[in-house]
Amino acid sequence: DADVTQTPRNRITKTGKRIMLECSQTKGHDRMYWYRQDPGLGLRLIYYSFDVKDINKGEISDGYSVSRQAQAKFSLSLESAIPNQTALYFCATSVSGTESTDTQYFGPGTRLTVL
Amino acid sequence: QQQVKQSPQSLIVQKGGISIINCAYENTAFDYFPWYQQFPGKGPALLIAIRPDVSEKKEGRFTISFNKSAKQFSLHIMDSQPGDSATYFCAASWGDSWGKFQFGAGTQVVVTP
Repeated sequence: DADVTQTPRNRITKTGKRIMLECSQTKGHDRMYWYRQDPGLGLRLIYYSFDVKDINKGEISDGYSVSRQAQAKFSLSLESAIPNQTALYFCATSVSGTESTDTQYFGPGTRLTVL
Repeated sequence: QQQVKQSPQSLIVQKGGISIINCAYENTAFDYFPWYQQFPGKGPALLIAIRPDVSEKKEGRFTISFNKSAKQFSLHIMDSQPGDSATYFCAASWGDSWGKFQFGAGTQVVVTP
């Protein structure tokens, strides 16, 4: 869905490098999330943000940091990448205050490989 | 540990058959149970969802069955089509989870012609 975009779509990097994954949305949603997807583990929440001034850790935040530069932009950083951070990363958005709070809209994903 | 356990990991079904995916949970605070569908190279997208005040919800060929006492819910895909080939994730959230979900591990469904 073009409403949530992620860059880059694919990235290969080396152990120890700093990496930033970016997410932008045109849906006007206030809530944004970062997940990683691993085979057999499903989607696990890394960080989430309910507005520009609100950042919260998810279940697997170690080794990651985030920045909410604007309502529409939410970046995920790996300060020093390690091989077990090789995964598919998804950004998602949702809107508060209505029934559609319960629906998350995912971007197309970034495939990250750490050598 | 995963709070939502999903099975099977994968299944192959012939066109026209029924695909059944099961999920189980322990946290009785969960009050919303969506299913997401993910095609290769795409992000997951909401397929269908249910709240525990009903035992079944149907949308087209997709049905969720919910068993509150057993803490289980399942997705049935009737008359499966090759276009249904995708990975399916069950999920659960709770009243004050503020939009956060616990996802199952996913089931890869392949529908053969």
